[in-house]
Amino acid sequence: GAGVSQSPRYKVAKRGQDVALRCDPISGHVSLFWYQQALGQGPEFLTYFQNEAQLDKSGLPSDRFFAERPEGSVSTLKIQRTQQEDSAVYLCASSPRQGVQPQHFGDGTRLSIL
Amino acid sequence: DQQVKQNSPSLSVQEGRISILNCDYTNSMFDYFLWYKKYPAEGPTFLISISSIKDKNEDGRFTVFLNKSAKHLSLHIVPSQPGDSAVYFCAASVFVNSGNTPLVFGKGTRLSVIA
Repeated sequence: GAGVSQSPRYKVAKRGQDVALRCDPISGHVSLFWYQQALGQGPEFLTYFQNEAQLDKSGLPSDRFFAERPEGSVSTLKIQRTQQEDSAVYLCASSPRQGVQPQHFGDGTRLSIL
Repeated sequence: DQQVKQNSPSLSVQEGRISILNCDYTNSMFDYFLWYKKYPAEGPTFLISISSIKDKNEDGRFTVFLNKSAKHLSLHIVPSQPGDSAVYFCAASVFVNSGNTPLVFGKGTRLSVIA
């Protein structure tokens, strides 16, 4: 497809389970970002990749959050031992190359932790 | 502390009139500003942007104004249409040569255009 694709669209997990969220960026886009959007808030930065290199992970809220992009294309955000406060929409965005805006967003994964 | 603030959670405008959405920022390092539009259950869609070297950028019905001294920007939509009803996010970033920097978002303003 032409846009950023995220899967699953919805994920329900019990507290303590591990989850994995997938992002397919726009083909050829070098930069990839993950954001977390809580209800009633704007998206907040989690982490940034340039190709396969994770250049900034300052926004990850705890060491339970882990992201990878091993071949510089698809990215996975993993959350271990989920907690209720992890419930949010997780957005992925990509842009063609470094220094270029705007970022193009996927439709997100809505994560609900019971 | 919020670096990007949208102080109006909601705005109602009649169809055909002008919509003005406001945004303030505190970080003087920000030099690139964007507006995104978001429909329910969809991701944010880029609308319009402005660099700090400009004070106005126009694209069809949408115009963004930047007042650097006041650290304020606004989005004008004229004429407003029912399809413009959505949540609008203001975002800011700092340009660096070595790569991208993340966007810092406000909390959004929900615009309702009434027919």
